[in-house]
Amino acid sequence: NAGVTQTPKFQVLKTGQSMTLQCAQDMNHEYMSWYRQDPGMGLRLIHYSVGAGITDQGEVPNGYNVSRSTTEDFPLRLLSAAPSQTSVYFCASSYSPQGFYGYTFGSGTRLTVV
Amino acid sequence: SQQGEEDPQALSIQEGENATMNCSYKTSINNLQWYRQNSGRGLVHLILIRSNEREKHSGRLRVTLDTSKKSSSLLITASRAADTASYFCATGLRTGANSKLTFGKGITLSVRP
Repeated sequence: NAGVTQTPKFQVLKTGQSMTLQCAQDMNHEYMSWYRQDPGMGLRLIHYSVGAGITDQGEVPNGYNVSRSTTEDFPLRLLSAAPSQTSVYFCASSYSPQGFYGYTFGSGTRLTVV
Repeated sequence: SQQGEEDPQALSIQEGENATMNCSYKTSINNLQWYRQNSGRGLVHLILIRSNEREKHSGRLRVTLDTSKKSSSLLITASRAADTASYFCATGLRTGANSKLTFGKGITLSVRP
């Protein structure tokens, strides 16, 4: 099925460990983004990309790194995990940043940092 | 920072009743969208209304937009238990080279069978 695929679905990390959250879409969307969702905070934009080779910071970029080598993939790297990064992470893609045809979301990665 | 703020934060209704959810925002927008999130799942796009539109329908959904008041409402008619979910408004805006979609904190809707 066409859509956004995120892996893994669940992950537990120890403080200081690093890891990469994977995101892939097969809709040829130019725009991809990463959000984190915390209770009472809604969705906050971490990083986004408007095309291969182009990335930029969102609202809460500290502690995260991204790259976009292909149109399909947009991985999110946690450099040195901290308990404050415990959250649910969503990847989303769209034809445009303003989402004129809506954003398509992945099913999320639930990350716990202990 | 959140651009859209939904109201109320939580809503509980009986099956068959209508559910009305509101969203207010602060700056000019290109479009406003509503999303649904079922527990433990990703967000699903419901409906989009552009800044030059005032009302839009999709099935049991009706969304209105009042740009002079910077507010929108989402009406779900004849609600069903399956409508139980969190609902988010999101504002799309373009500011020079910086375009993005900003989400509110969401409304929790419970529909009692």
